[in-house]
Amino acid sequence: EAGVAQSPRYKIIEKRQSVAFWCNPISGHATLYWYQQILGQGPKLLIQFQNNGVVDDSQLPKDRFSAERLKGVDSTLKIQPAKLEDSAVYLCASSPQRNLAKSTDTQYFGPGTRLTVL
Amino acid sequence: GQNIDQPTEMTATEGAIVQINCTYQTSGFNGLFWYQQHAGEAPTFLSYNVLDGLEEKGRFSSFLSRSKGYSYLLLKELQMKDSASYLCAVRDVLMNSGGYQKVTFGTGTKLQVIP
Repeated sequence: EAGVAQSPRYKIIEKRQSVAFWCNPISGHATLYWYQQILGQGPKLLIQFQNNGVVDDSQLPKDRFSAERLKGVDSTLKIQPAKLEDSAVYLCASSPQRNLAKSTDTQYFGPGTRLTVL
Repeated sequence: GQNIDQPTEMTATEGAIVQINCTYQTSGFNGLFWYQQHAGEAPTFLSYNVLDGLEEKGRFSSFLSRSKGYSYLLLKELQMKDSASYLCAVRDVLMNSGGYQKVTFGTGTKLQVIP
């Protein structure tokens, strides 16, 4: 089974520039997550999709960040314009389904995109 | 919201046992995960607890007490390759969301295994 795919793996930009990240979740996984992980910290949820609908984007800085999952499969996360504090690893994860009766529902993470803003 | 606390760093000796603690506060608790994350890599799933008690999986065990808001990850027979960050993550049900669940991660405990 193929894992979660992300691209690019690394990106270096200057502040005020724009950048986009792409994620392809595991086939059949309904839930997709974007996390921001700053060095030395745990992953922070930016946005969670259930199929192509947004479940939670409460921690997404909406003035500069946007994300979409138009067909309920792959997703893009965009930052426009970037700031120095956006330097982090952006992790995409997916899980099979929202089912409270099925407890485990583990998240599977992609390799991440390491963003450096200069 | 959620508040998750775990130690920032720990050091242990190869072959020994180490316990990594995690305390949490949440309103709609529906499970606790432990993930391992090697430097520069993505987190990988280690264990899951939703009921009180101990879950054992090889050299790794995880314990949960829901009444105390407390969990620990126990690593036995430590190996050098166990040097990594260990992330405690709590899942709860989002309010007014139709039952959707949110997972919040702690800051992670960086474990260094020394010879």
